[in-house]
Amino acid sequence: EVQLLESGGGMVQPGGSLRLSCAASGFTFNIYAMGWVRQAPGKGLEWVSGLSGGGASTDYADSVKGRFTISRDNSKNTLYLQMNSLRVEETAVYYCAKFKVGTCYSAFDFWGPGTLVTVSS
Amino acid sequence: EIVLTQSPGTLSLSPGERATLSCRASQSVSSNYLAWYQQKPGQAPRLLISGTSFRATGIPDRFSGSGSGTDFTLTISRLEPEDFAVYYCQQYGKSPLTFGGGTKVEIK
Repeated sequence: EVQLLESGGGMVQPGGSLRLSCAASGFTFNIYAMGWVRQAPGKGLEWVSGLSGGGASTDYADSVKGRFTISRDNSKNTLYLQMNSLRVEETAVYYCAKFKVGTCYSAFDFWGPGTLVTVSS
Repeated sequence: EIVLTQSPGTLSLSPGERATLSCRASQSVSSNYLAWYQQKPGQAPRLLISGTSFRATGIPDRFSGSGSGTDFTLTISRLEPEDFAVYYCQQYGKSPLTFGGGTKVEIK
C-alpha cells in the first residue's frame, strides 16, 4: 500500500524558512517522480514543484522559483521541500504527491494527508 | 501558462441524478494530458481520471471523462451520497502544471 506522510509544517514569520519532508513507502521510490502541491485555506490547488525519479530534473512554479528547493534522498525514500523567504500568502496545506511515472508530466496518483504551513508575524 | 476554467462553480443535484462538469483550457492540452481529482473536506485530493478518460484504480465506472483539445468533461452518471465533493481538473502536458478552480457538487 502506497503511503506518503508529510512533516515539518508549522508557524513561521514572514521572510523565514521551513523544510518539509515526505516519507514514502509501499512503492519503488526511486522510479517515480514526486511533487508538492499546496492549498491555501478555502482555496483551490496550486502546483509548487516537481522532481524526477532519479533526481536529475526539477521544475518549479514561477511564484516559488529561486526561493524553494525540491530534493530527494532515494536511500531514505524521502522527498524534501526547502522553503526560504516565505510570504504571508504562502500559508497553506502543503501536499506531497506521487506522479504516475518517472517524469513530472503525469497525473498525481497518490497524495499525502498534507502539512499546514502558516506564515504570520 | 495554460489556464483551466471549470464550470459551473457549484452544481446542486440530488442523489441518483447525472452530473456534468466542464473544464475549458486557454490553449490546447498536449496529448490530452488532463486529469480529474475529487476532494472531500479535510482530505487530500484523490485521482479519478487521467489521460482525459482513463479511470484510476478502484474508481467506479459511474465516473467517466471525455474531451479533447481545449474542452473536457467529467460525468458522474448517477450520483451516490459519497460523490458530493469538490472536483478539480489538472493539465500536465505543459509546465507549469495547472489546476482548475474547482466545481463543488452539493446536495440539492
